[in-house]
Amino acid sequence: NAGVTQTPKFRVLKTGQSMTLLCAQDMNHEYMYWYRQDPGMGLRLIHYSVGEGTTAKGEVPDGYNVSRLKKQNFLLGLESAAPSQTSVYFCASRTGQTRNQPQHFGDGTRLSIL
Amino acid sequence: SQQGEEDPQALSIQEGENATMNCSYKTSINNLQWYRQNSGRGLVHLILIRSNEREKHSGRLRVTLDTSKKSSSLLITASRAADTASYFCATDWNTGNQFYFGTGTSLTVIP
Repeated sequence: NAGVTQTPKFRVLKTGQSMTLLCAQDMNHEYMYWYRQDPGMGLRLIHYSVGEGTTAKGEVPDGYNVSRLKKQNFLLGLESAAPSQTSVYFCASRTGQTRNQPQHFGDGTRLSIL
Repeated sequence: SQQGEEDPQALSIQEGENATMNCSYKTSINNLQWYRQNSGRGLVHLILIRSNEREKHSGRLRVTLDTSKKSSSLLITASRAADTASYFCATDWNTGNQFYFGTGTSLTVIP
């Protein structure tokens, strides 16, 4: 099994451009998450989903949109990229069958906004 | 911010020594988890401790939890060069759907 796969791994954008980051998991997990990781800040939750067709805001949702049309995929969109969105983005998933379950992470997407 | 704090920010030890890192958090929790992140990679789950547990072991890892002080510690015994990584604590809160991560401890184990 591949686990959690993030696409692309690297991307450079110009300010104002848009793009979509794709996260795919093959573990049939109900819950999926998008985080950003900045130096000295740890991981901060952007948006999450508790099941197909559902999304919710996390700690830092402004400037991002998400969609969960299929259970295995969770998309993160930047409509108009800003330099402040330069970061490493991580997707994670976990089962929702019980509360105390760990998250499984992808290897990240490194995004630079010029 | 609901983020926790980890202490120390950086730790450098000799191979074979023990490494201890601490995590403090702000809200009531259902569980606390520890993750490892190797350079350029995603986070890997190490151990989960529930709020009604005080201590948990997994191999060379020992985790303690003090909910009265809102703090946890991770002890890695007999460290190896391969343990070099960043370590993060994460707490769930409220409904348990959201997680907050600490700022991390960067551990360097010198061969």
